[in-house]
Amino acid sequence: KQEVTQIPAALSVPEGENLVLNCSFTDSAIYNLQWFRQDPGKGLTSLLLIQSSQREQTSGRLNASLDKSSGRSTLYIAASQPGDSATYLCAVINSNSGYALNFGKGTSLLVTP
Amino acid sequence: SQTIHQWPATLVQPVGSPLSLECTVEGTSNPNLYWYRQAAGRGLQLLFYSVGIGQISSEVPQNLSASRPQDRQFILSSKKLLLSDSGFYLCAWSIGLGEETQYFGPGTRLLVL
Repeated sequence: KQEVTQIPAALSVPEGENLVLNCSFTDSAIYNLQWFRQDPGKGLTSLLLIQSSQREQTSGRLNASLDKSSGRSTLYIAASQPGDSATYLCAVINSNSGYALNFGKGTSLLVTP
Repeated sequence: SQTIHQWPATLVQPVGSPLSLECTVEGTSNPNLYWYRQAAGRGLQLLFYSVGIGQISSEVPQNLSASRPQDRQFILSSKKLLLSDSGFYLCAWSIGLGEETQYFGPGTRLLVL
C-alpha cells in the first residue's frame, strides 16, 4: 500500500526566504506526482504535476523535483510571500491502481511579513 | 473554461439522518469524477470514482454510496449518517485517468452530531 509522508508538518518562515518542502513515497511505481495548495476551509488548487518520466517542473517561483527511484519529491518556493501561506499537499498516483490520488497529510506553511 | 461546483458548502446533520451532497462540472464532457474525504488529522482519502454515467467504483467500504445520473453530475449519499462521517468532502474531475491533473471543487464541510 502506498504511503506518502510529508516533512515538516508545519513551517514558519519570514517573508523573502527560499524554502523546501519534502515528500516521500514508499512505492516507486507511480504514474505521476502532484503538488497541491489548500487554503483553510477551501478546496485544492493544483500547483505542479510531474509525470513519472520527468525530473522536475517549474511554475513561476515554484519548482518541484522528482526522484522516482528513491521515492522523493521536493517543492522549492523562492522568495516566499505572506500570500504563500497555506497547506501544501503532495499526492501520487500508482501505476497499478490507476485512479486514486494517494495524499500526504500536508505541510502547513506560514510566511510572516 | 471548466468549473466545478459543490453544494451545500456546509452541513450539520444529526446521527442517523440521510445525506445527499452534489457535485457538478461545467465546460467539459465525459469527465472522470471523484469523491474524496478529508477527516480531521488524516490525509485525503478517495471514496469513489466514476468513468461514466452509472459507472461507480468504490475504493473503501463504508456507510456512503455514490451515483452519477448525468454526465457531469456526481452525488454522494448516505441512508443513515454516523459520527465518523464528519469531515470535508471534496469532489474532483479529470480528463484522463492517472496521467492527468485532477481539479477539485470548493468542498462541503459535514458535521454529524
